[in-house]
Amino acid sequence: AQTVTQSQPEMSVQEAETVTLSCTYDTSESDYYLFWYKQPPSRQMILVIRQEAYKQQNATENRFSVNFQKAAKSFSLKISDSQLGDAAMYFCAYRSSRDAGNMLTFGGGTRLMVKP
Amino acid sequence: EPEVTQTPSHQVTQMGQEVILRCVPISNHLYFYWYRQILGQKVEFLVSFYNNEISEKSEIFDDQFSVERPDGSNFTLKIRSTKLEDSAMYFCASSAASAYNEQFFGPGTRLTVL
Repeated sequence: AQTVTQSQPEMSVQEAETVTLSCTYDTSESDYYLFWYKQPPSRQMILVIRQEAYKQQNATENRFSVNFQKAAKSFSLKISDSQLGDAAMYFCAYRSSRDAGNMLTFGGGTRLMVKP
Repeated sequence: EPEVTQTPSHQVTQMGQEVILRCVPISNHLYFYWYRQILGQKVEFLVSFYNNEISEKSEIFDDQFSVERPDGSNFTLKIRSTKLEDSAMYFCASSAASAYNEQFFGPGTRLTVL
């Protein structure tokens, strides 16, 4: 079974600064998908960014980018120019490409605080 | 922008009672999911549903749980005889035809079992 680990329960960043959230996972598969979801205090999770394991190029979405290290099974999220609205829980998630049910396996989450 | 909705936002029930949590997925989506999050713990997969049948279920999804798509819009999770440990946030999600597509989550239903 796959596992996803987020080793930072809480992180803090100054507004306009850059912060990196860590995620590691364990799998024996070679093809899979990785995601970062944001859960603001309203509690509706929204997708921030995703990465296909077969792509070597790191995904980027505006201020959000990932550092995907397949051999190390690491998938960190970098938030540049942090804004107050970035404050939320961030969840790393894994999905197997072979899984017919599309199940997401989540990490424990990192609470990001943004200081003005 | 279309979104997944869930009702009620908060449900309080007595242990042993049956509850039905309701979800309206995004209208053109074909895959439906339930996840739960016990307070302070990880979000856990319960079940996925496609073409009117369960695609996959976790160990958590035992005989006390069932899912149904009673009409063209609703997707429900029924817990037949609630236990104290069923207290959690329950999230519904849906995704479009491709398995690669993003899962869109609802705001969740907080279930409290007394």
